[in-house]
Amino acid sequence: DAGVTQSPTHLIKTRGQQVTLRCSPKSGHDTVSWYQQALGQGPQFIFQYYEEEERQRGNFPDRFSGHQFPNYSSELNVNALLLGDSALYLCASSRITEETQYFGPGTRLLVL
Amino acid sequence: TQLLEQSPQFLSIQEGENLTVYCNSSSVFSSLQWYRQEPGEGPVLLVTVVTGGEVKKLKRLTFQFGDARKDSSLHITAAQPGDTGLYLCAGERGGSNYKLTFGKGTLLTVNP
Repeated sequence: DAGVTQSPTHLIKTRGQQVTLRCSPKSGHDTVSWYQQALGQGPQFIFQYYEEEERQRGNFPDRFSGHQFPNYSSELNVNALLLGDSALYLCASSRITEETQYFGPGTRLLVL
Repeated sequence: TQLLEQSPQFLSIQEGENLTVYCNSSSVFSSLQWYRQEPGEGPVLLVTVVTGGEVKKLKRLTFQFGDARKDSSLHITAAQPGDTGLYLCAGERGGSNYKLTFGKGTLLTVNP
């Protein structure tokens, strides 16, 4: 039973570029949440998707957008990248009926 | 303002010692989760506590949820080098598989 998978594992971009990160949830899970973890900090909630819709959003600008597909996988898009967007981006999946979220290994994004 | 305060921020001990780390908040959570994260990896779920006053044991790790569901502690007995990592607590509010609010974590180093 595969856990949460994310791609790519690492990514280097320059300021102003756009990036798309991908997440496949754990088998049987229907909800995907995205988090940003800056160095030395705990993860910060970006948004959560269920039934292909954004259910809840954290304190992140509109440059951060997402999508969920019918197979429950998800994408995180960030436009007009800033240096401060450099972080580990984590995807977590869960069942809508349960509280426990399971995290993927993350995508390390470096913006130069 | 950090909703969940973790202490200590850093902890370095010798193998065989006992330790306790704390997670405190002024807010009530419907559940609280503890994770361990290793460098460059996603957080791995250790336990979820739901009921005020609940105590859960996972081998040498003992987790307690405060009676008022505002705080939690993690006690490790006879720490081993394999326990080294960043310990994160995360609270969930609303009881609807909402976003997780994380603390900044306690970075534990167990020296052989």
